[in-house]
Amino acid sequence: QSVLTQPPSVSGAPGQRVTISCTGSSSNIGTGYDVHWYQQLPGTAPKLLIYANNNRPSGVPARFSASKSGASASLAITGLQAEDEAEYYCQSYDSSLSAFYVFGTGTKVTVL
Amino acid sequence: QVQLQESGPGLVKPSETLSLTCSVSGGSISSSYWTWIRQPPGKGLEWIGYSYFRGSTKYNASLESRVTISVDTSKNQVSLKVRSVTAADTAVYYCARMWGLDYFDYWGQGALVTVSS
Repeated sequence: QSVLTQPPSVSGAPGQRVTISCTGSSSNIGTGYDVHWYQQLPGTAPKLLIYANNNRPSGVPARFSASKSGASASLAITGLQAEDEAEYYCQSYDSSLSAFYVFGTGTKVTVL
Repeated sequence: QVQLQESGPGLVKPSETLSLTCSVSGGSISSSYWTWIRQPPGKGLEWIGYSYFRGSTKYNASLESRVTISVDTSKNQVSLKVRSVTAADTAVYYCARMWGLDYFDYWGQGALVTVSS
């Protein structure tokens, strides 16, 4: 029931910059609802990475940043590290669907 | 630091009721909204619903007819019940705290529930 579309995978060498897109529509991100990002390391629960479009919770490294424009959002990892290899999900609110709180399809980040 | 711990049976038979409990520590259960999210094996995240201690609830309409979420302030627990389960309900179930009815800032470690006879 994912209405937020993400690329299935992205990869990069250590130290490189990678970006993950999250494409929504006029009923969610395009309406102005905030976008949040989660990191899910293998075998663990998701962890809040970015909230309200571009804010990092305490303890999240500054190499993680995010932005939102129109009906899309993006997460950037600058200076990719081996421990960043994980699944990343965007999340927002949708006013048209029954789900209300919707997640992206998820993106696997591989560190080469 | 808020900590969440899910517990409950790991195996449920088809047509029966899935019941999970989330124990909350390190924070007031009465001051937040509490939610359940599930993740089928190898798949993405699906929001199930939320509850507030005063009884306010909201559910994913695709599950609403089968789901109940409640908050027990005396035990500092949040519960989830999913009735008439099928194999499609097999998933890791996470409880999480909602911040501002907006995002999920604290998560439990998750509980795998398999629906099988």
